[in-house]
Amino acid sequence: EIVMTQSPATLSVSPGERATLSCRASQSVRSNLAWYQQKPGQAPRLLIYGASTRATGIPARFSGSGSGTEFTLTISSLQSEDFAVYYCQQYNNWPWTFGQGTKVEIK
Amino acid sequence: EVQLVESGGGLVQPGGSLRLSCAASGFTFSNHWMHWVRQTPGKGLVWVSLINTDGSSTSYADSVKGRFTISRDNAKNTLYLQMNSLRAEDTAVFYCASGYSYSEYWGQGTLVTVSS
Repeated sequence: EIVMTQSPATLSVSPGERATLSCRASQSVRSNLAWYQQKPGQAPRLLIYGASTRATGIPARFSGSGSGTEFTLTISSLQSEDFAVYYCQQYNNWPWTFGQGTKVEIK
Repeated sequence: EVQLVESGGGLVQPGGSLRLSCAASGFTFSNHWMHWVRQTPGKGLVWVSLINTDGSSTSYADSVKGRFTISRDNAKNTLYLQMNSLRAEDTAVFYCASGYSYSEYWGQGTLVTVSS
């Protein structure tokens, strides 16, 4: 099973600043990586798939990059509604696995 | 509007059974692979099971293999998860979600609590 490791566990950012979240896979997942946003009491929301393709309706301030084992989610200018937990998920090798999440909180 | 609505969660004793349902609307359910994913505060999001479009192919996480059964009724636009021999560690919020690889559509989740 591929282990997905996210860092940092918590990221404190001021509104309007850039946030950079990392996700590392224990072996190559090529570009078969997705990012989700989850707010308290809500289901995960798909942000990015294919490592860098924004899902329908996702603002351009969200961008994904990377391939192989190292991936990054960047939020270019944090808005109030972006404070949430973010998860990466690989879908290259069965079973699909998620990272443990990065909480983006207000600084 | 796409909707996935789970039901069937609740409190059950260890060793007991529950059947979760997920009613789909707003998209062509029969064209989509479907998943069950669970979430606990300690272990985060964990994929549980997957079923193909016509129900002929299924997969399970090792932790639930032999105890859980995923199925679907495309005529009723509904996904199911039959959970038997439940354990305390199965306590979680269970989500249904669409798609083979990544999931664009998710339900709101249903809480399963396994406790005596």
